[in-house]
Amino acid sequence: DAGVIQSPRHEVTEMGQEVTLRCKPISGHNSLFWYRQTMMRGLELLIYFNNNVPIDDSGMPEDRFSAKMPNASFSTLKIQPSEPRDSAVYFCASRGDVYEKLFFGSGTQLSVL
Amino acid sequence: AQSVTQPDIHITVSEGASLELRCNYSYGATPYLFWYVQSPGQGLQLLLKYFSGDTLVQGIKGFEAEFKRSQSSFNLRKPSVHWSDAAEYFCAVSLDNYGQNFVFGPGTRLSVLP
Repeated sequence: DAGVIQSPRHEVTEMGQEVTLRCKPISGHNSLFWYRQTMMRGLELLIYFNNNVPIDDSGMPEDRFSAKMPNASFSTLKIQPSEPRDSAVYFCASRGDVYEKLFFGSGTQLSVL
Repeated sequence: AQSVTQPDIHITVSEGASLELRCNYSYGATPYLFWYVQSPGQGLQLLLKYFSGDTLVQGIKGFEAEFKRSQSSFNLRKPSVHWSDAAEYFCAVSLDNYGQNFVFGPGTRLSVLP
């Protein structure tokens, strides 16, 4: 298996633009997580899905952020409109059974100018 | 290429025993270093981090880690393990203070015997 795949690897955009981050979890995994990493706040859980259903989105910072998981093999995290304070590394992770470890993607490095 | 390795996939210790989890990185410069813990059924929690200064860092839950530049290592230690420490432990590295180039290690699973 290729592991958790995220795209793009890097994204540079201007304030006010829409940004879409993509994630393909490991096949067979039924839980998917979106995290944001900044040096100020560390690693924050934004939202997680179980069997494609959003379970906890309390970490989503604002209404500008939205996440979808239309099927078991694909998820998106969208920011509209983007702001400079959204600049961070966004990680997607997946796991199978609830007691299994997380497998992380390589992250998307977002810079909002 | 930048990488973070955790040589031990799975470690089992008895409750009350000491613990050391290994982490090595391959970068040209000194990175910023982190240890996270993922308890069963839960998300990630930051145990400790190293940015600069004293190379021995104290964290939560009685954990500490020591940065050794000569060995490119940042090993996590605890003098006496509790059953509740059973979890997955991730070492992570960032190359700059903007939080960019952030890389997780593959993780080490810790089992604790009663």
